[in-house]
Amino acid sequence: DQQVKQNSPSLSVQEGRISILNCDYTNSMFDYFLWYKKYPAEGPTFLISISSIKDKNEDGRFTVFLNKSAKHLSLHIVPSQPGDSAVYFCAASDRSGGSNYKLTFGKGTLLTVNP
Amino acid sequence: KAGVTQTPRYLIKTRGQQVTLSCSPISGHRSVSWYQQTPGQGLQFLFEYFSETQRNKGNFPGRFSGRQFSNSRSEMNVSTLELGDSALYLCASSLQGRVDTQYFGPGTRLTVL
Repeated sequence: DQQVKQNSPSLSVQEGRISILNCDYTNSMFDYFLWYKKYPAEGPTFLISISSIKDKNEDGRFTVFLNKSAKHLSLHIVPSQPGDSAVYFCAASDRSGGSNYKLTFGKGTLLTVNP
Repeated sequence: KAGVTQTPRYLIKTRGQQVTLSCSPISGHRSVSWYQQTPGQGLQFLFEYFSETQRNKGNFPGRFSGRQFSNSRSEMNVSTLELGDSALYLCASSLQGRVDTQYFGPGTRLTVL
């Protein structure tokens, strides 16, 4: 039973355009969400996070949107750059439930940004 | 400041053997978490240690075990290896274990033949 789902295994966009990566979750106890970026042969690198009390968080070119009623979040990258090409993982945690130390990940989306 | 280091980076074992993987956290970090990444299941939480105590455990069989030493270094052991244990094993460290402050190592690629 996958509690965090990234239904698009891959996404290809042109440099300068917007990249939108989607993530759905089923566990209503999740109250903290994170996006990680992973290059081959490296560990995941934290990108941006959002608490369930917010619906939007921005950091430079990266914006995460959270729709709690739909149990859906998305990561927007604007403008996309070739260096953004990597696997992006959505992750969630139930911090208020005491699982502040455990992340549940989606399977990842491979983003390719074409020059 | 040096990042999280994992050794070895690559490992090949045969079914039935056992393996030990090592993780050295960032200096000062007391929490170490372990994750398994496979193409079919993605990234799955194995366990988390803080000050030599296991605080959280994922849904993995007892063949998977770990420990943490007084210097916060951690080891993960898998006994009686199965083909399905082939995966990238990632370690993450943080000061207190909070998920928003975790830093991941590069991982150990384990291949079971």
